[in-house]
Amino acid sequence: AQSVTQLDSQVPVFEEAPVELRCNYSSSVSVYLFWYVQYPNQGLQLLLKYLSGSTLVKGINGFEAEFNKSQTSFHLRKPSVHISDTAEYFCAVSGMDSSYKLIFGSGTRLLVRP
Amino acid sequence: GAGVSQSPSNKVTEKGKDVELRCDPISGHTALYWYRQSLGQGLEFLIYFQGNSAPDKSGLPSDRFSAERTGGSVSTLTIQRTQQEDSAVYLCASSFYAGGSGNTIYFGEGSWLTVV
Repeated sequence: AQSVTQLDSQVPVFEEAPVELRCNYSSSVSVYLFWYVQYPNQGLQLLLKYLSGSTLVKGINGFEAEFNKSQTSFHLRKPSVHISDTAEYFCAVSGMDSSYKLIFGSGTRLLVRP
Repeated sequence: GAGVSQSPSNKVTEKGKDVELRCDPISGHTALYWYRQSLGQGLEFLIYFQGNSAPDKSGLPSDRFSAERTGGSVSTLTIQRTQQEDSAVYLCASSFYAGGSGNTIYFGEGSWLTVV
C-alpha cells in the first residue's frame, strides 16, 4: 500500500518569490508520482507526473518537481509565483503493481500575496 | 461536452434519505473513478471501473455506498440512508486506460453533497 504526506497545509508567499511544496511518500513497491492543482471552484488538473527516467520533471505553468528515491520525496517548486497560482495543490502516488489507484495527500494551499 | 460531467453540482439532503450522483466520463475513456473529498482532507479513493472487468470497490466506506456503470459509460454513485459524515465533494474521473501508468486522469468538478 502507498501513502502520501504533505507536511504543509498552507504556504503563504509573496508574488514573484520562489516556492517549494513538500511531498513525501511511502510505498513497498516502485511508484508513479503526480502533482494536481485545484483552482477555486474548479476540478483537479494535472500539473506534472513522474513515470520513469529523468528525476526532474517539468510541468505546466512553470512548475517542476524532483523525484528523490532515497528520501522518498517529490517536492514541487516554482522559481517565481504569480497571484494566479493561488490554489490547492495535491501530491499523489500510485504503485506500479496497482497503477490505476491514485493515493492523494491532504493538500497544500498556496496563497500568493501581492 | 469535452470534459467529465457530474450532476448534480450541489445536493442538500436530509439525514436518512438516499442520494444518487451521476458521472458522464469523457467519450472513449474506459476507466472511471470515484473519489471523495471531505473538508480539509485529501481525496479518498472510493471505486474504480475498467471496461467490463469487475470493479475495485475496496475504497467504499460502508455498505450504504454502491456504484454502477451502465454500458461502460455513465456511472451512478448511490448513498443510502445518508449520514452527516457523508457530507463531502464527490469527484468522478476518467482516463483512456488504467491511470497511473502514464495515462492522464481527468477529473470532473464534483458533486457537493450536504447532509442536514
